[in-house]
Amino acid sequence: DADVTQTPRNRITKTGKRIMLECSQTKGHDRMYWYRQDPGLGLRLIYYSFDVKDINKGEISDGYSVSRQAQAKFSLSLESAIPNQTALYFCATGTGGEEQYFGPGTRLTVT
Amino acid sequence: RKEVEQDPGPFNVPEGATVAFNCTYSNSASQSFFWYRQDCRKEPKLLMSVYSSGNEDGRFTAQLNRASQYISLLIRDSKLSDSATYLCVVNGEDSSYKLIFGSGTRLLVRP
Repeated sequence: DADVTQTPRNRITKTGKRIMLECSQTKGHDRMYWYRQDPGLGLRLIYYSFDVKDINKGEISDGYSVSRQAQAKFSLSLESAIPNQTALYFCATGTGGEEQYFGPGTRLTVT
Repeated sequence: RKEVEQDPGPFNVPEGATVAFNCTYSNSASQSFFWYRQDCRKEPKLLMSVYSSGNEDGRFTAQLNRASQYISLLIRDSKLSDSATYLCVVNGEDSSYKLIFGSGTRLLVRP
């Protein structure tokens, strides 16, 4: 089984809809991250969490919210999706400063 | 200016060739450096860390030049399976262990 899983893997939604992307990990890591990837822009950090009680904004948090339900679960919400949120979203875990382990990604399309 | 800059490529090389990628970073306080590999539509995975003294892992050699703030990756005896996008990654300016990703250099190895 994969160490970091993301659901759904693909999603098409309409403008204005609320959508939640979920991430679970079995690596036992405290740190979890949400990134989005756009062509030519690389990975950009949306939110990160160092433990269940710690949530921090990344460089592009506007329009997004997160919830750390447990050490192993970190979900990303788009309260009212807009087309420029169409992207590939990755969840990642880490122990701090070194390697991060990524989930397989969620391809989100907002029409 | 981007915090981490890479030539997007693509670098198109024959099997067996040696190819080198460079990357520059803007934050002189960065302490940790990495190369990640990303296959098409897949998640990034750590290829190797980059140490001040340079390091080698089989056909891959990474170098760090702190004075000039650039990182290099050398691939010898290229294989078809090396075709991927290579992401240059540095840690963020604070102690929060955020990683800053370059947008990647695409490598195509042809038969």
